[in-house]
Amino acid sequence: SQQGEEDPQALSIQEGENATMNCSYKTSINNLQWYRQNSGRGLVHLILIRSNEREKHSGRLRVTLDTSKKSSSLLITASRAADTASYFCATEPNTGFQKLVFGTGTRLLVSP
Amino acid sequence: DVKVTQSSRYLVKRTGEKVFLECVQDMDHENMFWYRQDPGLGLRLIYFSYDVKMKEKGDIPEGYSVSREKKERFSLILESASTNQTSMYLCASSSRLTSGYEQYFGPGTRLTVT
Repeated sequence: SQQGEEDPQALSIQEGENATMNCSYKTSINNLQWYRQNSGRGLVHLILIRSNEREKHSGRLRVTLDTSKKSSSLLITASRAADTASYFCATEPNTGFQKLVFGTGTRLLVSP
Repeated sequence: DVKVTQSSRYLVKRTGEKVFLECVQDMDHENMFWYRQDPGLGLRLIYFSYDVKMKEKGDIPEGYSVSREKKERFSLILESASTNQTSMYLCASSSRLTSGYEQYFGPGTRLTVT
């Protein structure tokens, strides 16, 4: 399977703290994306970073990408209770097909 | 507002029944996908389609088939449902024109096969 893995599987923090989750993948990629899933719902796209980029910011989100290590991290700063969700990385392999390979996800719990 | 809708949020079927899960998108997207999501396994791709009447197998196509007769609609069919197909099913779509192929997801169908 080409599926990526995320670490940790679960993360519990207090409001105001930063949350960092990591993603490792197996193949060469065109880009890497992060998605959020609220409990029992569909996924929502958060941010995309291309293979030639090393870091990207969007609001309280910061994503890094290290293609030599085939890994990425998502940092959520000043977490809020509303950030409680599962977070998935997804890679677009450079195989020419327009599909994504999703990781196994990190469950984030932010307590008030 | 872009939207992907799925025919049911919750579905309970009996072993051996034929099950249809329908997905409709209103964004004129070329690409559509069916995933199943199980605890600890993340999202696994069942089938996808690049265009009307086209379909490609994903990572776990066994026991499933699909139909795409119209651009906006992508159906997943369980020919003879089994208990190991109890899962959350997610539909998604993406545009061939959007660099990165960001996917838009429906709310999911939680299928229980008894």
